[in-house]
Amino acid sequence: DIQMTQSPSTLSASVGDRVTITCRASQSISVWLAWYQQKPGKAPNLLIYKASDLESGVPSRFSGSGSGTEFTLTISSLQPDDFATYYCQQFDRYPRTFGQGTKVEI
Amino acid sequence: EVQLVESGGGLVQPGGSLRLSCAASGFTFSTYWMTWVRRTPGKGLEWVATIKPDEGEKYYVDSVRGRFTISRDNAKNSLYLQMSSLRAEDTAVYYCAGDKSGSMIYWGQGTLVTVSS
Repeated sequence: DIQMTQSPSTLSASVGDRVTITCRASQSISVWLAWYQQKPGKAPNLLIYKASDLESGVPSRFSGSGSGTEFTLTISSLQPDDFATYYCQQFDRYPRTFGQGTKVEI
Repeated sequence: EVQLVESGGGLVQPGGSLRLSCAASGFTFSTYWMTWVRRTPGKGLEWVATIKPDEGEKYYVDSVRGRFTISRDNAKNSLYLQMSSLRAEDTAVYYCAGDKSGSMIYWGQGTLVTVSS
């Protein structure tokens, strides 16, 4: 199975900060990576697919990059609505696997 | 408006069975791969199973293979997860999701399954 490792596990930030979350795959997954945001009590929400494609309706302050085994999610200017947990997920092969999550908090 | 509504969760004893349902609307269900994902307090999000539009292919995480069965009824725009031989570690919120080339674009609100005596 492909292991997905996110860092950091928790990130303390302030409104207006530039935030970067890293996701590493245990083997190459090309660009077959998605990023999700999840808030307490809510379903996950797709932000980025195919490593860098912004899902429709997602604010442009979110961006993704990377290929192979190293990927990043960047929030250019953190907004109050962005405090949440973020997950990466590979869809190169089955079983699909998620990272353990990164909680962005104040 | 796209909607996915899960139902069927609840409290069940270890070794018991439960059938989850997911009713879809607002998109062409019969053309989408569909997936079940669960969220546990300790492990975060975990992919559980995925099914092809025509049910020709089904995939499972190792921990549920042989115990869970994913199925669908395209005429009823519905997705199912039959769970048997349930264990404490299956306790989670279960989400159904519409799959767009591998990433989950549509999500339900989730249904809680608690396995406990």
